[in-house]
Amino acid sequence: DTGVSQDPRHKITKRGQNVTFRCDPISEHNRLYWYRQTLGQGPEFLTYFQNEAQLEKSRLLSDRFSAERPKGSFSTLEIQRTEQGDSAMYLCASSVGTAYNSPLHFGNGTRLTVT
Amino acid sequence: AQTVTQSQPEMSVQEAETVTLSCTYDTSESNYYLFWYKQPPSRQMILVIRQEAYKQQNATENRFSVNFQKAAKSFSLKISDSQLGDTAMYFCAFMKLRAGNQFYFGTGTSLTVIP
Repeated sequence: DTGVSQDPRHKITKRGQNVTFRCDPISEHNRLYWYRQTLGQGPEFLTYFQNEAQLEKSRLLSDRFSAERPKGSFSTLEIQRTEQGDSAMYLCASSVGTAYNSPLHFGNGTRLTVT
Repeated sequence: AQTVTQSQPEMSVQEAETVTLSCTYDTSESNYYLFWYKQPPSRQMILVIRQEAYKQQNATENRFSVNFQKAAKSFSLKISDSQLGDTAMYFCAFMKLRAGNQFYFGTGTSLTVIP
């Protein structure tokens, strides 16, 4: 069990550029979540997948955001035309979807800074 | 909609003493789970303790215990014999059982253990 890994750890980009983050969940976990966390706040839900299907998206997820999990394993989160308000920590988490009380296992996050 | 409220942005406790972090939530769900997560500085979020709403008995995990009051929708965390390694942000989280087991987090309490 290598845990949830996220890449990159830090990303600095200029406003208007596109960025893509990757998340590798724990191998036997079929649920994968993306959260956004800003300073002084708790994680805010963005979207989640069960296997390769994206089952729910938050209203926070504007049209500039897209997430994929093509083979039900790793996932990518892309932000197009970044804005300064996108600066945040982006957290990925996974869980065993078959267990009702399955907690989330978090990665270290990707810190995005938009200049 | 579910909301989770942590009314103590910051707290401190002397090493070896006991501290209680408060959390209240609002939901119309009858069955759900509650969690406390710990996020040390610059480190990933990890699970501290979980509580099933249908269980009256309060959960305990070594030095960590909860006081779950379902009618009052209150879920406080007690840390006994505080250690320096307990210094972290603590997030209370609510998980509904329907529609994807989505988690809702509070804004966190920053706990500092003073030597």
